[in-house]
Amino acid sequence: GDSVTQMEGPVTLSEEAFLTINCTYTATGYPSLFWYVQYPGEGLQLLLKATKADDKGSNKGFEATYRKETTSFHLEKGSVQVSDSAVYFCALSDPSQAGTALIFGKGTTLSVSS
Amino acid sequence: DGGITQSPKYLFRKEGQNVTLSCEQNLNHDAMYWYRQDPGQGLRLIYYSQIVNDFQKGDIAEGYSVSREKKESFPLTVTSAQKNPTAFYLCASSVNRGPPWETQYFGPGTRLLVL
Repeated sequence: GDSVTQMEGPVTLSEEAFLTINCTYTATGYPSLFWYVQYPGEGLQLLLKATKADDKGSNKGFEATYRKETTSFHLEKGSVQVSDSAVYFCALSDPSQAGTALIFGKGTTLSVSS
Repeated sequence: DGGITQSPKYLFRKEGQNVTLSCEQNLNHDAMYWYRQDPGQGLRLIYYSQIVNDFQKGDIAEGYSVSREKKESFPLTVTSAQKNPTAFYLCASSVNRGPPWETQYFGPGTRLLVL
């Protein structure tokens, strides 16, 4: 079945450092891909998404490009802030099945220090 | 403002007790979902509903039950048959047709603890 694998954390960075969180997927079709962020004690917020190959999703300085040839959707940010400390989840959905669940990776904890 | 509300924020369950978690949305979404989150496990699907009066089991439905009598509401009951209920429970919703049908929006979650 479809699956998502993301790099294990925690990832610890200093403020203004460059961030990469790796995400790869396995899917039989052409999934839509997502990054969600979860701040402590809260629900998930959609960070960005891409619905087809070579699309780039971006939001709040974060970017991710849908790479079909490498089945990847790596999250990047050029200069992280302390406020970016959170858990980041990569996820996919099957576009042939509207109204079905997302498939999530296990999450990567990011900790940014000043 | 449209959104998803979950209540309570914290819930305590005694042994042998059934408890119900509330999820309400005013986004006019057709589909709703319940996920369970455990540390280091990501999110796992419990139940989902694509339309009123219909719902489907997810990967870990044993020990849980749901109902979908109204479009806005999708309560989850954690029964006494669920032997390890301590977790963070997240409700989500999405449209069922037309873009952005693939995007799910999440509530703030309910943390369930066993006394």
